[in-house]
Amino acid sequence: EAAVTQSPRNKVAVTGGKVTLSCNQTNNHNNMYWYRQDTGHGLRLIHYSYGAGSTEKGDIPDGYKASRPSQENFSLILELATPSQTSVYFCASGGWGVIYAEQFFGPGTRLTVL
Amino acid sequence: TQTVSQSDAHVTVFEGDSVELRCNYSYGGSIYLSWYIQHHGHGLQFLLKYYSGNPVVQGVNGFEAEFSKSDSSFHLRKASVHWSDSAVYFCAVSAGYNQGKLIFGQGTKLSIKP
Repeated sequence: EAAVTQSPRNKVAVTGGKVTLSCNQTNNHNNMYWYRQDTGHGLRLIHYSYGAGSTEKGDIPDGYKASRPSQENFSLILELATPSQTSVYFCASGGWGVIYAEQFFGPGTRLTVL
Repeated sequence: TQTVSQSDAHVTVFEGDSVELRCNYSYGGSIYLSWYIQHHGHGLQFLLKYYSGNPVVQGVNGFEAEFSKSDSSFHLRKASVHWSDSAVYFCAVSAGYNQGKLIFGQGTKLSIKP
């Protein structure tokens, strides 16, 4: 069954430390996305990618980098983590055309920055 | 710029009742609309989408949504809810040119009383 997996599922980091969140998809989708979910804000798009080697800034990219080394993998990197980046992060994959609106989400990573 | 609004943060109904969760959007061009469900502690799951054609679209588990251009709405409905429908529901919009970028509403938490 096609799936989106994320690792780690939970992470505690220290302020100023580097954090890497990983995402893997077996849907063979070109597009992949990173969102964060905070109470009162719904989901907000951080970075996305159209395929291996490409990354695009989403609506809230400051403080985050992304890497798409292959079709299957998409990473979110916090070079200098701050407490404001404490959140739940979701990765998703999706296709082209009218199926734009249909994205497949991973289970999420809960990140706490102390 | 497209926006999406879910006016009800929390809706509570009895099992077996009908329910309507409201979603309004703003955008002048062609648009993709979708609904997602998020059970506690999980990622989002796609329910249904609309792009063109019949304004009433059917989704999984008895959910349907109706698009109204005049009202700029895409409300989600279910005729008879089950306790397992308790979750947070997100409406999402994407402009046709945005290559799959979704803008999510803030979500409506649906609680089902026995």
